[in-house]
Amino acid sequence: EIVLTQSPGTLSLSPGERATLSCRASQSVSSSSLVWYQQKPGQALRLLIYGASSRAAGIPDRFSGSGSGTDFTLTISRLEPEDFAVYYCQQYGSSRTFGQGTKVEIK
Amino acid sequence: QVQLVESGGGVVQPGRSLRLSCAASGFTFSNYAFHWVRQAPGKGLEWVAVISYDESNKYYPDSVKGRFTISRDTSKSTVYLQMNNLRTDDTAVYYCARGLLFGDYWGQGTLVTVSS
Repeated sequence: EIVLTQSPGTLSLSPGERATLSCRASQSVSSSSLVWYQQKPGQALRLLIYGASSRAAGIPDRFSGSGSGTDFTLTISRLEPEDFAVYYCQQYGSSRTFGQGTKVEIK
Repeated sequence: QVQLVESGGGVVQPGRSLRLSCAASGFTFSNYAFHWVRQAPGKGLEWVAVISYDESNKYYPDSVKGRFTISRDTSKSTVYLQMNNLRTDDTAVYYCARGLLFGDYWGQGTLVTVSS
């Protein structure tokens, strides 16, 4: 099973700042088969990025994904108030596994 | 718009059964695969079942294989998760998601509490 490790666990930033979230896999993720989700309390998960770098429909361009192999990154270029949430990565190259999440909180 | 609404959660004793439902609307149900994902209190996400668009393929992780069964009813645009022989570590919010490899739309979840 591919284990995904997200870092940091919590990121404390101010609106307007840049957020960089990491997702590291225990083995190579085939064909960049990695997605990123956003989760807010009481709301449905929202797909942000698929295929490691493609934005899902309706996702603002301040969200971007990059990486391949075992190292992946989600970048939020300028944090908006609605971006403070928990973010998860998930790989689907070998079965499906999730990272443990990174909480982006207001500093 | 795409909507997925889960129901059927509740409190159940260990060893008992429960069936969850996921009612879909806003798209052509028969064209899509679905899966169930759970989140234990304060924990991360765990995939528990997936069903292909035509019900020909179903997959489960070892943690639930033999106890959980996913199914679908196209006439009702609904996906089900039959959970048998429930254990305390099955306590979680259960989410339904559209898609085979990952979820492009998700429901808000239904809470299952397994406790004596």
